[in-house]
Amino acid sequence: GESVGLHLPTLSVQEGDNSIINCAYSNSASDYFIWYKQESGKGPQFIIDIRSNMDKRQGQRVTVLLNKTVKHLSLQIAATQPGDSAVYFCAENVNFNKFYFGSGTKLNVKP
Amino acid sequence: DVKVTQSSRYLVKRTGEKVFLECVQDMDHENMFWYRQDPGLGLRLIYFSYDVKMKEKGDIPEGYSVSREKKERFSLILESASTNQTSMYLCASSTQGATNTEAFFGQGTRLTVV
Repeated sequence: GESVGLHLPTLSVQEGDNSIINCAYSNSASDYFIWYKQESGKGPQFIIDIRSNMDKRQGQRVTVLLNKTVKHLSLQIAATQPGDSAVYFCAENVNFNKFYFGSGTKLNVKP
Repeated sequence: DVKVTQSSRYLVKRTGEKVFLECVQDMDHENMFWYRQDPGLGLRLIYFSYDVKMKEKGDIPEGYSVSREKKERFSLILESASTNQTSMYLCASSTQGATNTEAFFGQGTRLTVV
């Protein structure tokens, strides 16, 4: 299962800098991973995904890295903008059905 | 544009009431999910449905039930609402099989039980 905690980890970055958000997943059988962004008052929105047969995938300004050896996922955001301020969740998918989510990281972009 | 629609954005209910949260998706997805989201705890899976009339318990099913009579609709039922069920509830849907895609989420229902 995912990590449990009362306090949401927060990452504060300066506008224009690169951001790296990390996530540890628990199930070595997970075969599909997704990063979601959740803005205040909204449901989570898809950012980027990666399958377990890959170790890197790039999108527009975002890159996901997967290290299956240590069960670690990271999201890199290039040239972070104020609109990137949100809570970011990683999700793991097992056997093509259920999604399990991490507890999230709050990204705070300072102008 | 794909859509998952939850019937209410905000609900206030009294302790002991029976509460229905409705979710509809227009993507012909096989899978539908109900999560609750609490500060610092992320999204926790309550129930999952992989087909009409088929359901599976998630991590925290106690105090909840679900209904999936039609493929596009997945309802979450709080049989007797309690204050510890005050939370944000999120519905999601996804495809099934080897060509799976991400789960699409609704906007959420913020439920307050008083």
